[in-house]
Amino acid sequence: NAGVTQTPKFQVLKTGQSMTLQCAQDMNHNSMYWYRQDPGMGLRLIYYSASEGTTDKGEVPNGYNVSRLNKREFSLRLESAAPSQTSVYFCASRGYLQGYGYTFGSGTRLTVV
Amino acid sequence: QQPVQSPQAVILREGEDAVINCSSSKALYSVHWYRQKHGEAPVFLMILLKGGEQKGHEKISASFNEKKQQSSLYLTASQLSYSGTYFCTYQEVNQAGTALIFGKGTTLSVSS
Repeated sequence: NAGVTQTPKFQVLKTGQSMTLQCAQDMNHNSMYWYRQDPGMGLRLIYYSASEGTTDKGEVPNGYNVSRLNKREFSLRLESAAPSQTSVYFCASRGYLQGYGYTFGSGTRLTVV
Repeated sequence: QQPVQSPQAVILREGEDAVINCSSSKALYSVHWYRQKHGEAPVFLMILLKGGEQKGHEKISASFNEKKQQSSLYLTASQLSYSGTYFCTYQEVNQAGTALIFGKGTTLSVSS
């Protein structure tokens, strides 16, 4: 099925550990995004990539890095996890045509203890 | 800066109507509306590209007043399946590209 695939779905980390969240889309979309969702806060943009080879910071980039590996894949890395990074992370992609919204992956629920 | 949504929560019985409002301090070029059910990802409902435009999705419609930097979502004759959190978003445009900025959401609960 066409869409956005995120892995893993669940993860528990200890403070200071590192990990990479993976995201891949098979819709030939140019733009990809990483959001985090915390209770009562809506979704906040961490990083985005307008096209292959470009990335830019969003509203809450501190503590994260990203890589746009190719047109399909956009990964999010936590170098040294902190409890404040406990959240649900969503990856999304968007095609070129106007009138189409973002397609979201099913999310990664991350807990940092 | 996030768009501001009101109300924060709405409780309805099946068949009742509701309006969710959204305003922004930034100039809006387009507004997206999304719905998220508990434990799931947000799902795109509609996009409004022009000022004053109204669009519809089933019995859900929306308006966009570009001059007032406001949008409203209208849910008519609500169904149980309408329950969830509704997000207003606008597209932020800069040299790097565009990205959606989400409001904090309005939680809608529909009961029978």
